[in-house]
Amino acid sequence: AQTVTQSQPEMSVQEAETVTLSCTYDTSESDYYLFWYKQPPSRQMILVIRQEAYKQQNATENRFSVNFQKAAKSFSLKISDSQLGDAAMYFCAYSKAAGNKLTFGGGTRVLVKP
Amino acid sequence: DAMVIQNPRYQVTQFGKPVTLSCSQTLNHNVMYWYQQKSSQAPKLLFHYYDKDFNNEADTPDNFQSRRPNTSFCFLDIRSPGLGDAAMYLCATSRDPTGKDMDTEAFFGQGTRLTVV
Repeated sequence: AQTVTQSQPEMSVQEAETVTLSCTYDTSESDYYLFWYKQPPSRQMILVIRQEAYKQQNATENRFSVNFQKAAKSFSLKISDSQLGDAAMYFCAYSKAAGNKLTFGGGTRVLVKP
Repeated sequence: DAMVIQNPRYQVTQFGKPVTLSCSQTLNHNVMYWYQQKSSQAPKLLFHYYDKDFNNEADTPDNFQSRRPNTSFCFLDIRSPGLGDAAMYLCATSRDPTGKDMDTEAFFGQGTRLTVV
């Protein structure tokens, strides 16, 4: 079974600074998808960024970027120029296909200090 | 323009009294998922429907059932809620559970927070 681990329960960052969230996963599949979801206090899960395992190039979405290390089974999220609106719980998730069921990590709470 | 709508947002039920949570979608997606998220924990998949086919997770308690009368609606029934069933219940949809296209990723509703008293 696939597992996803987020080792940082909470991270704090100063506004405009950069923070990196860690995620490791375990799978025997060669093709899969990785996601970072943001869950603000209103609780709706929002997709932040996604990565297809067969792509070597790291995904980027505006201020969000990932460092995907397939051999190490590592998938970290970097938030640049942090904003107050970035404060939320962030979940790393794994899926065998883009729309398939998700296996989530335990989450990392991001606090942004003004 | 909400795409995945869960009702109600907050539900209080009595211990042992059956309760139903609902989810509707305007995306015409084939797949609807139900996740349970207990406080400060990761969401955990309970089951999903792929069209009319029901797929239960191995460790989902029998107390949890689901119905999908049509493409747009899916219901989560808890037959006899216990205190341990208090949680946020998240509904999600996706177009194709096997697709490689990145526009097939899951969309989530805002969730229903269930309190058992």
